[in-house]
Amino acid sequence: NAGVTQTPKFRILKIGQSMTLQCTQDMNHNYMYWYRQDPGMGLKLIYYSVGAGITDKGEVPNGYNVSRSTTEDFPLRLELAAPSQTSVYFCASTKPETSTDTQYFGPGTRLTVL
Amino acid sequence: QKEVEQDPGPLSVPEGAIVSLNCTYSNSAFQYFMWYRQYSRKGPELLMYTYSSGNKEDGRFTAQVDKSSKYISLFIRDSQPSDSATYLCAMSEGTGNQFYFGTGTSLTVIP
Repeated sequence: NAGVTQTPKFRILKIGQSMTLQCTQDMNHNYMYWYRQDPGMGLKLIYYSVGAGITDKGEVPNGYNVSRSTTEDFPLRLELAAPSQTSVYFCASTKPETSTDTQYFGPGTRLTVL
Repeated sequence: QKEVEQDPGPLSVPEGAIVSLNCTYSNSAFQYFMWYRQYSRKGPELLMYTYSSGNKEDGRFTAQVDKSSKYISLFIRDSQPSDSATYLCAMSEGTGNQFYFGTGTSLTVIP
């Protein structure tokens, strides 16, 4: 199993541009999450999904959109990028029915908006 | 008040030292407590997982949960340079519920 994979690893955007961060997991996990991590601020939940076709907002959803058309994929869309969206983005997944219910993280996407 | 508070450090110790990392929380409904390790420019990886109060040991690592004090700890015995990383605590109310993360403690183990 590859686990959780994210693309791209790095990206520089100009203000006002848009992009999609890709996230795929091959563990048949029904729950998936997007976090952003800023220095000294910990992980903040942007959006999450409990299954295909179901998404919900987390703590910091403004400026982002998500979709979940399949169990495996959970892309994060940035529209009209702003400098405040400069961060490291992590995708995670879990299957709550398992005994540990831990979240497995991808390697992250490092985004800079200039 | 934040849901989870964690001293950001940085913490620097000599090789072989015992390390103590701590988090406090305010939500008494939290039942699942986790510690993640995050190496520089990598994603967090699960280190320890504990349900409710008590201790859990795994090799050189021991996780403790004191729900009465709303306080969790991670102890690392015989610390190694390879333990140098940021350690994040996380907790949730139940399976499938949102995880709340601490800000992370940066640890450096000096050879």
